[in-house]
Amino acid sequence: GQSLEQPSEVTAVEGAIVQINCTYQTSGFYGLSWYQQHDGGAPTFLSYNALDGLEETGRFSSFLSRSDSYGYLLLQELQMKDSASYFCAVHSNYQLIWGAGTKLIIKP
Amino acid sequence: KAGVTQTPRYLIKTRGQQVTLSCSPISGHRSVSWYQQTPGQGLQFLFEYFSETQRNKGNFPGRFSGRQFSNSRSEMNVSTLELGDSALYLCASASGEGSNEKLFFGSGTQLSVL
Repeated sequence: GQSLEQPSEVTAVEGAIVQINCTYQTSGFYGLSWYQQHDGGAPTFLSYNALDGLEETGRFSSFLSRSDSYGYLLLQELQMKDSASYFCAVHSNYQLIWGAGTKLIIKP
Repeated sequence: KAGVTQTPRYLIKTRGQQVTLSCSPISGHRSVSWYQQTPGQGLQFLFEYFSETQRNKGNFPGRFSGRQFSNSRSEMNVSTLELGDSALYLCASASGEGSNEKLFFGSGTQLSVL
């Protein structure tokens, strides 16, 4: 079967760094995406990794290891506006398989 | 460039009724996919349309159906509504070429079934 696992909730302090992990089990894998969703809002695209390694976009970075079926999203210099749910999603056979999401709680 | 537009924003229906939701993708995008999201859950894939053809389908009962028109606008229909169908229904558009690595989501339709 196909599955993704990510922590349900992560708490961090404003200004700190936080890492959200995602492990997956799927066939026909060809990429891993991350999306951010604020309460009441629509998911918005953050990053996409097709190859092993780190992709950096401003304060956000995403990492993929295909051999380990593992990826993570790294958020630096956390701001209160980063409080949201973060979803990893695996691209597989013209489908996106989504994790259940990680709620990021940021404390001042 | 206008974003993805979903209508209506909110819907209240009763069990047994049917409902049609609409989605207008970003101009030039040919792929429209639909997702169901319930509180605390990830997005459950319903189906994807590309150039008026259903390209992929998730594991939902036949009560859930959709279609795409020649202008890429898409509709989703749910017949014989059940209480468990209460959810946020999200539509996403993409170019549809290659690996669909980036989806653009609409604000969703919040459906409540009473």
